[in-house]
Amino acid sequence: TQLLEQSPQFLSIQEGENLTVYCNSSSVFSSLQWYRQEPGEGPVLLVTVVTGGEVKKLKRLTFQFGDARKDSSLHITAAQPGDTGLYLCAGALPGTYKYIFGTGTRLKVLA
Amino acid sequence: DSGVTQTPKHLITATGQRVTLRCSPRSGDLSVYWYQQSLDQGLQFLIQYYNGEERAKGNILERFSAQQFPDLHSELNLSSLELGDSALYFCASSSGTGYYGYTFGSGTRLTVV
Repeated sequence: TQLLEQSPQFLSIQEGENLTVYCNSSSVFSSLQWYRQEPGEGPVLLVTVVTGGEVKKLKRLTFQFGDARKDSSLHITAAQPGDTGLYLCAGALPGTYKYIFGTGTRLKVLA
Repeated sequence: DSGVTQTPKHLITATGQRVTLRCSPRSGDLSVYWYQQSLDQGLQFLIQYYNGEERAKGNILERFSAQQFPDLHSELNLSSLELGDSALYFCASSSGTGYYGYTFGSGTRLTVV
């Protein structure tokens, strides 16, 4: 069974703090995405990474794809209350139509 | 607005009933995916269609069925509804395999009473 495990599951931090969310698997992915979902809404795509070791930045968010394309991390610098939400990683398995979502990290940033 | 349209936004129905959820994909996208998300649960993949053909199946119950029409819109039919079917149902679309990710609709919240 292919799994994408995220850690931590829950994170509550103060505004201005930094944090890192991890997404790990034993499977290799041809691409990996990060989404943010707010209550009652659909997930919104933040970034796609496709090359091992790739780093992408989106304002205060930094995404990294592991060298072996089995894991990824999301680092948020100086978190803001607007960053609050459910963060999901997801990946496409090579040679298949399978696309797997991670277990999710629920982030709350307190003002 | 993501470009993926789901209707209705909310649905309340009784156990044993049948409902149909509708999804219009983003313009140009050929693939449609259906997901179920229960309270505090992750996204559970139900089924994928590509240009009218079923491409992949996930943990979809036999009471559930879906189809994609020639105009590419899709419908998810849920029958013999049970209390446990109460959830958010999301539709997503992509141009092909989802290699670059999906675009999600805002979901249909189904409440079975």
